[in-house]
Amino acid sequence: DTAVSQTPKYLVTQMGNDKSIKCEQNLGHDTMYWYKQDSKKFLKIMFSYNNKELIINETVPNRFSPKSPDKAHLNLHINSLELGDSAVYFCASSQAGVGALYGYTFGSGTRLTVV
Amino acid sequence: AQTVTQSQPEMSVQEAETVTLSCTYDTSESDYYLFWYKQPPSRQMILVIRQEAYKQQNATENRFSVNFQKAAKSFSLKISDSQLGDAAMYFCACCASGTYKYIFGTGTRLKVLA
Repeated sequence: DTAVSQTPKYLVTQMGNDKSIKCEQNLGHDTMYWYKQDSKKFLKIMFSYNNKELIINETVPNRFSPKSPDKAHLNLHINSLELGDSAVYFCASSQAGVGALYGYTFGSGTRLTVV
Repeated sequence: AQTVTQSQPEMSVQEAETVTLSCTYDTSESDYYLFWYKQPPSRQMILVIRQEAYKQQNATENRFSVNFQKAAKSFSLKISDSQLGDAAMYFCACCASGTYKYIFGTGTRLKVLA
C-alpha cells in the first residue's frame, strides 16, 4: 500500500511539449512538496502546499505550475519543456507545521528526460 | 542563508566494518532538526535518522548513529557493521523550525565491499 505515489515513473518527451506529473499520498498529511534532483544528484525544493495553499515557491521558471486539488494530491505541470528540465522530480509529504520536522515521506520519483 | 555541506563525494567500506559520513551545516536558527536520508539505486528516498538540535543526546537507530556537535555545526552519520544493502547515496538535510523546508547536501556515495 504505497504511501506517496507518483505517476509516471519515467517520462520521455520532446522539447516544447507540455507534460504533467501526478502525486498522491494516503498518509493523511496536510503538506506536500515537489523537489528536483539534477544529474549531479543535487536536491532542491521547488514548491510546497499546505492543505491546498501554496506556502513555498522557490525561484522556479513560471513554466512550472503546481496544482493541488485537495490535500492528498499535488500535481506538477510543465509547459514548453526544455532540455535543462531533464531531472528526477520527487514528491513528498509531511505532517503540517511542526510535524514536518519529523521527516518527509518521499515518492519514488519521476525521471523526466527531454530530448 | 542555510547551507549543508557534505565534503565526501564517495566513501568505501568493507562489509562488517564501520564508516562515518561527514556533514556540516550553517543556520541562524536556534531550534532546528537534522536528517540523514538514504537513496539506494532504486531512487527511493528513505529517512535513516533524525536529530533534534535542542537535544544533546545523539540519535541512534539500530546500526546507524549520529555524532552531533552543535557548536561546530557538524552532524556525521556512523554506520556500524556495514552491510551490502547499505550501499547508496546518503544525503544530509537541515530543516529550520520556522520554514519546514529541507536543505539537502550534495550527497555521499557509499560503496560496500564484500
